[in-house]
Amino acid sequence: DVKVTQSSRYLVKRTGEKVFLECVQDMDHENMFWYRQDPGLGLRLIYFSYDVKMKEKGDIPEGYSVSREKKERFSLILESASTNQTSMYLCASSLPIYRGTYEQYFGPGTRLTVT
Amino acid sequence: DAKTTQPNSMESNEEEPVHLPCNHSTISGTDYIHWYRQLPSQGPEYVIHGLTSNVNNRMASLAIAEDRKSSTLILHRATLRDAAVYYCILRRLTGTYKYIFGTGTRLKVLA
Repeated sequence: DVKVTQSSRYLVKRTGEKVFLECVQDMDHENMFWYRQDPGLGLRLIYFSYDVKMKEKGDIPEGYSVSREKKERFSLILESASTNQTSMYLCASSLPIYRGTYEQYFGPGTRLTVT
Repeated sequence: DAKTTQPNSMESNEEEPVHLPCNHSTISGTDYIHWYRQLPSQGPEYVIHGLTSNVNNRMASLAIAEDRKSSTLILHRATLRDAAVYYCILRRLTGTYKYIFGTGTRLKVLA
């Protein structure tokens, strides 16, 4: 079974702190994604990566950066956390388009609270 | 970007069929229609996807309108474990690889 794990289920940070959210997948997937999920807004794509060291901005990249140094690991970084970044963060991975599959596999999520 | 519209919530009795509607009137010819569901305290999981023809798998069926401006996810016999938020999503086949999530339908299954 594909497994996507996220470093924490719950995280509480203070305004201005630098926050790292880690995601690891064990199926050798090329693509990895970071989303945030907020009530009434659904899931919104922050960043995605289609290969090691490659990244593209999603719909709401402001205030975030990402790092992909190894194929299995994709990190989301909040350089200076703010209260409006309090949210559920979901990581996902998938095979690339040319492999003919379209399913994204999601981790359980990290609920981040910034106070 | 194309968007999807779904009812906020629906109820169904256990062991009865459920039809979850989705409107996507601005869909383009190369957009795939995907359905995911999110069980409580979990990340979303894939249910089914299609382009033009109706699709069946072990979890559900997907009925796509002839003009592709709407689709319906069909759960043939709802169980209590099917209680979840169901997302109808468009996925662009070319260009940026991304999913456009809507706000989903919260399905409540009554025993």
